[in-house]
Amino acid sequence: QVQLVQSGGEVRKPGASVQVSCKASAYTFVTFGISWLRQAPGQGLEWMGWISLNNGDTLYAQKFQGRVTLTTDTSTTTAYMDLRSLRSDDTAMYYCARDGEWGNLAGASFDPWGQGTLVTVSS
Amino acid sequence: DIQMTQSPSSLSASVGARVTITCRASQSISTFLNWYQQKPNKSPNLLIYDASSLQSGVPSRFSGSGSGTDFTLTISSLQPEDVATYYCQQSYTVPRTFGQGTKVGI
Repeated sequence: QVQLVQSGGEVRKPGASVQVSCKASAYTFVTFGISWLRQAPGQGLEWMGWISLNNGDTLYAQKFQGRVTLTTDTSTTTAYMDLRSLRSDDTAMYYCARDGEWGNLAGASFDPWGQGTLVTVSS
Repeated sequence: DIQMTQSPSSLSASVGARVTITCRASQSISTFLNWYQQKPNKSPNLLIYDASSLQSGVPSRFSGSGSGTDFTLTISSLQPEDVATYYCQQSYTVPRTFGQGTKVGI
């Protein structure tokens, strides 16, 4: 059973960058993809992007294109989400979740989820 | 992008009541529809995948139905531990999109 463990909460000033990590506790790291999602306080869920753990291919939501970068380190079974040019409305809980891989993205589901990482952007 | 619209946005029902939440997609998504439960201050949890398949470990009082553009999540007998917000999500295409959520209370 895959488990995803995320890094701890972060506080940043507007204009700064943040990196959130997501470590998978399974040797079958490269058999699935990882999606990153976020949830602003009191709001719904928003998909940010996806990365293939097999070859590093990425897909990004248009809203975040150019401001977010997803990467992986297969040697440590860890995925990373970098978000730049932070604004106050980037304050949110950020989640990683297991997703499908190329060939089975359609029909895949987010399961399991990491525990979430609270990123607070404040001057 | 495919828009997902849930209704109602919130509801309150008695313990043991039958609860139904609907989700409508802005275009046909076949059965590529998932449902999640999110309890306060917790990560979301997958309940139903492929519109009607119950995720392992999820109580059988939860069920899903629908195809095309209209989907339903039903709780056959509401329990106190079901207090949560429920989200539908389409997995037909990228970007993945969610409904706005339905908050269920007792």
